Amino acid sequence: NAGVMQNPRHLVRRRGQEARLRCSPMKGHSHVYWYRQLPEEGLKFMVYLQKENIIDESGMPKERFSAEFPKEGPSILRIQQVVRGDSAAYFCASSQTIEETQYFGPGTRLLVL
Amino acid sequence: ILNVEQSPQSLHVQEGDSTNFTCSFPSSNFYALHWYRWETAKSPEALFVMTLNGDEKKKGRISATLNTKEGYSYLYIKGSQPEDSATYLCVFRESGGSQGNLIFGKGTKLSVKP
Repeated sequence: NAGVMQNPRHLVRRRGQEARLRCSPMKGHSHVYWYRQLPEEGLKFMVYLQKENIIDESGMPKERFSAEFPKEGPSILRIQQVVRGDSAAYFCASSQTIEETQYFGPGTRLLVL
Repeated sequence: ILNVEQSPQSLHVQEGDSTNFTCSFPSSNFYALHWYRWETAKSPEALFVMTLNGDEKKKGRISATLNTKEGYSYLYIKGSQPEDSATYLCVFRESGGSQGNLIFGKGTKLSVKP
């Protein structure tokens, strides 16, 4: 059973471009969470999705950021018109139910030039 | 604003030493406390989840305790080994609201010298 998969592992973008980060949850997991780790900071919650629904997006910036978890395919975190301050490691986690432990992917390290 | 504090921030010990570190969290609206182990360039790995006051969990040489009334948890490592070197994250889950929202401490970075 493969763990949580994220791709790409590293992403370089110029200011103003779009970044798309993908997360495939563990098999059987329908709950997906995105976290961001800024340099010198801890992990911060961004958004929680359950198949096709956004349950909680309280940690996600209101502009330029969006997330989806379609019926088929991976969850996508999309950042439009990236700025240097978006440079961070973005981690995805999944769980089978809301109560159970979240399992983390290896992260995508985004660098905005 | 909910805050999870971990101390110390970093710790250097010799192989064979036993060590412990602390996590403090809000004592109200408690739902669960998680400990994760995070090695450099890898993803956080779940160690324990504790939900009841007085819970004690053990996995090999690592154990954890929980006091929800006073809002703290201790993680103990007995006879540290170099492979224990990692950042240990304490994660608080609040009851009510969106239970998907985990609040992470900044971690205690443990280095074990052979």
